Amino acid sequence: DGGITQSPKYLFRKEGQNVTLSCEQNLNHDAMYWYRQDPGQGLRLIYYSQIVNDFQKGDIAEGYSVSREKKESFPLTVTSAQKNPTAFYLCASSLGGSYNEQFFGPGTRLTVL
Amino acid sequence: RKEVEQDPGPFNVPEGATVAFNCTYSNSASQSFFWYRQDCRKEPKLLMSVYSSGNEDGRFTAQLNRASQYISLLIRDSKLSDSATYLCVANAGNNRKLIWGLGTSLAVNP
Repeated sequence: DGGITQSPKYLFRKEGQNVTLSCEQNLNHDAMYWYRQDPGQGLRLIYYSQIVNDFQKGDIAEGYSVSREKKESFPLTVTSAQKNPTAFYLCASSLGGSYNEQFFGPGTRLTVL
Repeated sequence: RKEVEQDPGPFNVPEGATVAFNCTYSNSASQSFFWYRQDCRKEPKLLMSVYSSGNEDGRFTAQLNRASQYISLLIRDSKLSDSATYLCVANAGNNRKLIWGLGTSLAVNP
């Protein structure tokens, strides 16, 4: 089945620890995105990548880092510099180019204790 | 002014009702528009793209009014399973970023 997978579904970390969230897609999509969603708030873009080995900061990139070494994978690291890391993290992908429809993975719910 | 603005609701309607949501966008350069639905604690799922000519998919109809910069979604014959948050989305002009509304909450009651 084609799709986007994120793991783990739930993640608990202690304050001060870095944590890496996984995102993999087998849709052959060029573009990938990371969003954060807080209760009662809209999706906010953290980072996005239009092509392998290239990525851009979104609206709230501080305290996060990404890599795009393979087309299928776009992991997100939440560093200890991120002041309020507890949130629902969503990864998405799209064909890129003029095709803007984004398709989402099931998300990772991160709780920092 | 928010870039994409929606009435948060909640809209409470009985089964079988027709309900309409509107959404306004501020960037006149936006070219692509979408409606997504998001169930509680789940990821957003694409409901439909919105074309200039309008489009219909079963009980769902989307319309775009570029002059007034608003998008609408009409749901006919509401089902209990339509209960969700509906997100209005526009692309940010010429780049590939999408701008997300905060969503409109719909509850369909038996």
